[in-house]
Amino acid sequence: EVQLVESGGGLVQPGGSLRLSCAASGFTFSSYWMSWVRQAPGKGLEWVANIKQDGSEKYYVDSVKGRFTISRDNAKNSLYLQMNSLRAEDTAVYYCAREGSLGFDPWGQGTLVTVSS
Amino acid sequence: SYELTQPPSVSVSPGQTARITCSGDALPKQYAYWYQQKPGQAPVLVIYKDSERPSGIPERFSGSSSGTTVTLTISGVQAEDEADYYCQSADSSGPWVFGGGTKLTVL
Repeated sequence: EVQLVESGGGLVQPGGSLRLSCAASGFTFSSYWMSWVRQAPGKGLEWVANIKQDGSEKYYVDSVKGRFTISRDNAKNSLYLQMNSLRAEDTAVYYCAREGSLGFDPWGQGTLVTVSS
Repeated sequence: SYELTQPPSVSVSPGQTARITCSGDALPKQYAYWYQQKPGQAPVLVIYKDSERPSGIPERFSGSSSGTTVTLTISGVQAEDEADYYCQSADSSGPWVFGGGTKLTVL
């Protein structure tokens, strides 16, 4: 079964840091682009960042450039999102998703990040 | 920055046809994808490459494209189809964009 499981969310103060992880199983992780997508409470989906199969290309939404870093470890079938200088507006459920010719499929169950003092 | 525009809400009675539109300048040149999201759940892909349906998605879900607008059509809407629906695409400069989402209400 193809599966993505996020972890690492929690409560963090403004200006703090957090590292999200996404564990992949059931498919050849190293063959796919991977993305992070977030959803603020009661709001819509926002694509955050993606990374190429070998990590050589990375792209970010403007609002997180310079603060967030996406990375992957193909040996561990894992995707990461290092989030620094966190702001209240970064509060959201963060999903990882596999990119393919069919679009984003599957998605993980999400991990909640709350930025508050 | 590139935007995809969806109506905030669509309402239909059971058995009727629901149509949800998504507009964007790059849609004539870029594929669109549609996702269904029910409360407390992760999004699920229901249409890819404008009009293709993934395995396991009911035949009542279909997609079409015309110019700068793509449309998700749900024929014979059922109560279980009540959800938020999001379109997704990209512009020529690259990264992904989601529409604002449409809440489908089954009356």
